[in-house]
Amino acid sequence: GQNIDQPTEMTATEGAIVQINCTYQTSGFNGLFWYQQHAGEAPTFLSYNVLDGLEEKGRFSSFLSRSKGYSYLLLKELQMKDSASYLCAVRGNTDKLIFGTGTRLQVFP
Amino acid sequence: GAGVSQSPRYKVAKRGQDVALRCDPISGHVSLFWYQQALGQGPEFLTYFQNEAQLDKSGLPSDRFFAERPEGSVSTLKIQRTQQEDSAVYLCASSLGDLDYEQYFGPGTRLTVT
Repeated sequence: GQNIDQPTEMTATEGAIVQINCTYQTSGFNGLFWYQQHAGEAPTFLSYNVLDGLEEKGRFSSFLSRSKGYSYLLLKELQMKDSASYLCAVRGNTDKLIFGTGTRLQVFP
Repeated sequence: GAGVSQSPRYKVAKRGQDVALRCDPISGHVSLFWYQQALGQGPEFLTYFQNEAQLDKSGLPSDRFFAERPEGSVSTLKIQRTQQEDSAVYLCASSLGDLDYEQYFGPGTRLTVT
């Protein structure tokens, strides 16, 4: 079967660093995506990893280990506006994305 | 507009009614996807088009669900004889195709079946 696991909820303090983990088991692998989704809004693209290693983009970084079926999203210098759901998604053997349930992050002042 | 648009944004239907949800992808985007998102869950794949061809409809939950993209641009997701379990947000996403992996999502249509 296909399975993507990520924590349901996390909390953090403004200015801190938070790491959201994602583990996956899928039929084939053609990339892992992280999306941010604010309540009632569309998911917006954050990052894409297809090779092992770290991709950095401003305050956001994403890491992938294909051998371990593992990724994480690292958010630095947290801001209140970072309170949102973070969706881990894998592209398997076809073009569709398989999403996890999402991690709801709450940032407190 | 530059993004993916969907209409209506909100739809309330009585159980048994038929509904049609529209998606306008980004101009020039070859691939179009429909996802269903239940409250507190991640999006779940429904179906996928490349131009006008429906290449994968494995996620459609029943034969009450039907999608089309006749001219390879606008797509419509139709749900016949709606049931309460169909209540969800229906997201449409588009991408340029094979060489562009990012899927751009629309704002979704929130369907409530009463």
